[in-house]
Amino acid sequence: QVQLQESGPGLVKPSQTLSLTCTVSGGSISSSDYYWSWIRQPPGKGLEWIGYIYHSGTTHYNPSLQSRVAMSVDTSKNQFSLRLSSVTAADTAVYYCARERVIFGANLPDYWGQGTLVTVSS
Amino acid sequence: EIVLTQSPGTLSLSPGERATLPCRASQRVSSSYLAWYQQKPGQAPRLLIYGISSRATGIPDRFSGSGSGTDFTLTISRLEPEDFAVYYCQQYGTSPITFGQGTRLEIK
Repeated sequence: QVQLQESGPGLVKPSQTLSLTCTVSGGSISSSDYYWSWIRQPPGKGLEWIGYIYHSGTTHYNPSLQSRVAMSVDTSKNQFSLRLSSVTAADTAVYYCARERVIFGANLPDYWGQGTLVTVSS
Repeated sequence: EIVLTQSPGTLSLSPGERATLPCRASQRVSSSYLAWYQQKPGQAPRLLIYGISSRATGIPDRFSGSGSGTDFTLTISRLEPEDFAVYYCQQYGTSPITFGQGTRLEIK
């Protein structure tokens, strides 16, 4: 069964860049059936989809974050990464990486990592 | 983007009772791309239902989904103690993927 694990700094200063990596095990990130995404959840609040990346490097981002987001993939390490620039306290959240399965032409997040809390504070 | 509204924010019921959780979309959900997730404290969301009514792998049959267009419902036929959690609806047919704000199911 696929497993996803987020890693990266738990504390980022305002105006700096948040960087996280997701390591996939139990399956290949190069599978044509899946996309790989990031979703976040501010403390005590709901879920926000950030975007996805395909193993080829194709990306698609939420317009609300598009100007600050960049995702990348390293198929040799079975990892994908998130960079979010110019962070503020509003970016404090638990960040989840997830697998998106293509079902009848749409991407459905079906397996998620455990999440990692990133706090933006000086 | 499609806004999903879940009301009430909290539902208080007892084990053994039937739970009905509604979700309303601001516009028609494309091609039945509506899912439900369960989240327990400190855990990642778990996929329960997709395509409005299809159960994900390993999900008990006391969980069921229904609806169409803009109005959807998650039903738990007989509540077990482990079912008390937060439930989110999600649409994945129109980008960006969006989630409802969640309904907390608590023990009465």
